[in-house]
Amino acid sequence: GQGVEQPAKLMSVEGTFARVNCTYSTSGFNGLSWYQQREGQAPVFLSYVVLDGLKDSGHFSTFLSRSNGYSYLLLTELQIKDSASYLCAVRAPNYNVLYFGSGTKLTVEP
Amino acid sequence: NSKVIQTPRYLVKGQGQKAKMRCIPEKGHPVVFWYQQNKNNEFKFLINFQNQEVLQQIDMTEKRFSAECPSNSPCSLEIQSSEAGDSALYLCASSLSTAEQFFGPGTRLTVL
Repeated sequence: GQGVEQPAKLMSVEGTFARVNCTYSTSGFNGLSWYQQREGQAPVFLSYVVLDGLKDSGHFSTFLSRSNGYSYLLLTELQIKDSASYLCAVRAPNYNVLYFGSGTKLTVEP
Repeated sequence: NSKVIQTPRYLVKGQGQKAKMRCIPEKGHPVVFWYQQNKNNEFKFLINFQNQEVLQQIDMTEKRFSAECPSNSPCSLEIQSSEAGDSALYLCASSLSTAEQFFGPGTRLTVL
């Protein structure tokens, strides 16, 4: 089966950082993607990781540990507009089907 | 920004009615996916295509949905007989063969 877990909510303060955690237990693995989704809008692709370690993409960085079934999305220098849901999705080996977590709703406060 | 187009944005149907939604993938993307996102934000993969061929689909889709991606026409997903539990956001995504998926804005279906 495919199990992807994320905390439902996260709060942080403008100008600081937020780390969105994701754990997964899947029958196959072909990488992990992170998406941002605002209310009533399409998920927007942020990052894809398939190798262990930290991938720094500026405002968004992602970390992956395949042996632990764990990833996180790190947002730095938070702005109010970063308030959104962040979705973790494991890519299956067959046809790259995505198995999503239920998303973490990040609220950035002034 | 994604260039996947989905219509209609909102769809309201009665139980037992057909519900049809359409998707135009990004130009040059041969692979199309359909997902269902329910009110609890849980995603469910429904079906995917490469060009006009079905790659994979779940049981529910096989039994209750019909979907196609004809050449030179929008892809479509149709629920043959809508049920209350089908109320959800239906998201279409497209990609190159092995790359990231780009999503459309979705069709929000409400079954009364």
